[in-house]
Amino acid sequence: QQQVRQSPQSLTVWEGETAILNCSYEDSTFDYFPWYWQFPRESPALLIAIRPVSNKKEDGRFTIFFNKREKKLSLHITDSQPGDSATYFCAASDTNAYKVIFGKGTHLHVLP
Amino acid sequence: EAAVTQSPRNKVAVTGGKVTLSCNQTNNHNNMYWYRQDTGHGLRLIHYSYGAGSTEKGDIPDGYKASRPSQENFSLILELATPSQTSVYFCASGARGAETLYFGSGTRLTVL
Repeated sequence: QQQVRQSPQSLTVWEGETAILNCSYEDSTFDYFPWYWQFPRESPALLIAIRPVSNKKEDGRFTIFFNKREKKLSLHITDSQPGDSATYFCAASDTNAYKVIFGKGTHLHVLP
Repeated sequence: EAAVTQSPRNKVAVTGGKVTLSCNQTNNHNNMYWYRQDTGHGLRLIHYSYGAGSTEKGDIPDGYKASRPSQENFSLILELATPSQTSVYFCASGARGAETLYFGSGTRLTVL
């Protein structure tokens, strides 16, 4: 079963627009939600993360919005730049069980 | 900066052959992971470990074995490689609590 779902699969925005990437999960034991980004021919790297005690986490142009009741979260990228073009993975972990599960990813294309 | 080193970077194997992918981390992290990445599937967890001597099954363990002989080393073993195991394999490590994962550069495996 797919425990972490992402949408859309692919997203294209113009430079300067806000990109919104969605994620949902099933397991209520997940207690840490990192987003990773991956550029072509590179490894995934941590971008930003949130714990369920918060409903929002900001880091510059990147913001996570978290809805624990609906088991949904979203990553907002404001003032999108061509350099933001990458694949973004939503992940979920149960820090007591050490398991980290990734979604299938969203391919973001930012056009200049 | 966390350092995770995978070897080999590229591997071509024959169907039915044995393949061993190696991973070494120098950060004294307790947790280590093996993922495979395929187009349309994102990162899928094969095996993980929370310390030397431990291995746990992930979501797609069939056809794979894992070995964690020390804190630093975590191997993925394909006893009888099949073409369906052609993929890019990533090793990752993380401190206790399964928070930030640090990925290696990946191993591109082709099974003919």
